[in-house]
Amino acid sequence: AQSVTQPDIHITVSEGASLELRCNYSYGATPYLFWYVQSPGQGLQLLLKYFSGDTLVQGIKGFEAEFKRSQSSFNLRKPSVHWSDAAEYFCAVGAVESQGAQKLVFGQGTRLTINP
Amino acid sequence: NAGVTQTPKFQVLKTGQSMTLQCAQDMNHEYMSWYRQDPGMGLRLIHYSVGAGITDQGEVPNGYNVSRSTTEDFPLRLLSAAPSQTSVYFCASALFGNQPQHFGDGTRLSIL
Repeated sequence: AQSVTQPDIHITVSEGASLELRCNYSYGATPYLFWYVQSPGQGLQLLLKYFSGDTLVQGIKGFEAEFKRSQSSFNLRKPSVHWSDAAEYFCAVGAVESQGAQKLVFGQGTRLTINP
Repeated sequence: NAGVTQTPKFQVLKTGQSMTLQCAQDMNHEYMSWYRQDPGMGLRLIHYSVGAGITDQGEVPNGYNVSRSTTEDFPLRLLSAAPSQTSVYFCASALFGNQPQHFGDGTRLSIL
C-alpha cells in the first residue's frame, strides 16, 4: 500500500520569498503524484500532477514540482510567494487498481502562512 | 458547468440519527469517491465507485453506506451517527482511473 509523508505541518514565509514544501512517498511501482491546495472552507484544487515523463512538472499559479525517484520525493516549489498563496497544501499518491479504481492516499497537509 | 456539488454544506445531528450526504457531478465522470478530513490526518477514503452499480470500500468504511444508481449521483449514508463521525466530508470525481480527481466544497458535519 502507498503512503505519503509531509514533514512540515506549518510553514511561514515572507511575501516575495521562495517556497519549498516537502513530500515523501512510499509505493512499490511508479506512482501517480499530485499536489492539491485547499483554501479555508473550500474543497481541494489540483495544482499539478505527475504521471510519467519529464520529472519537473509545471502547475497552475506559478507552482512547480520535481519528481525524484531516488529520494522518493515530490517537492513543491514556487520562486516568489504571494499573500494569496496562504492555504493548506496536500501531497497525494495514487494507484490504479482493479476496474479502474483510483486509490488516493493523502499526506497530513502543510499549512502555509505568508508574512506581509 | 457546476462540477461536483455537495449538499448540505453544514449539518448538526444527534447521536443515533441517520442522514444522507448528497453528491452530484455533471462531468460524466465514471469514478466517484467520498473522503473524510480530520485535523492532522489529511483526507481518508471512505467508499468509492468506478461506475453505476459498482461500489467498494476504502480505508475507513465502517458506519457508512453508499450506492451508485446513476453516473451523476453518489450519496453517502450514515445509518446511526456517532460523535466519531464528526468531520468534513468531501466528494470527488474523475474521468477514469489515473486522472485527477475534482472535489466538491465539502459538508461540515457535527454529531452531538
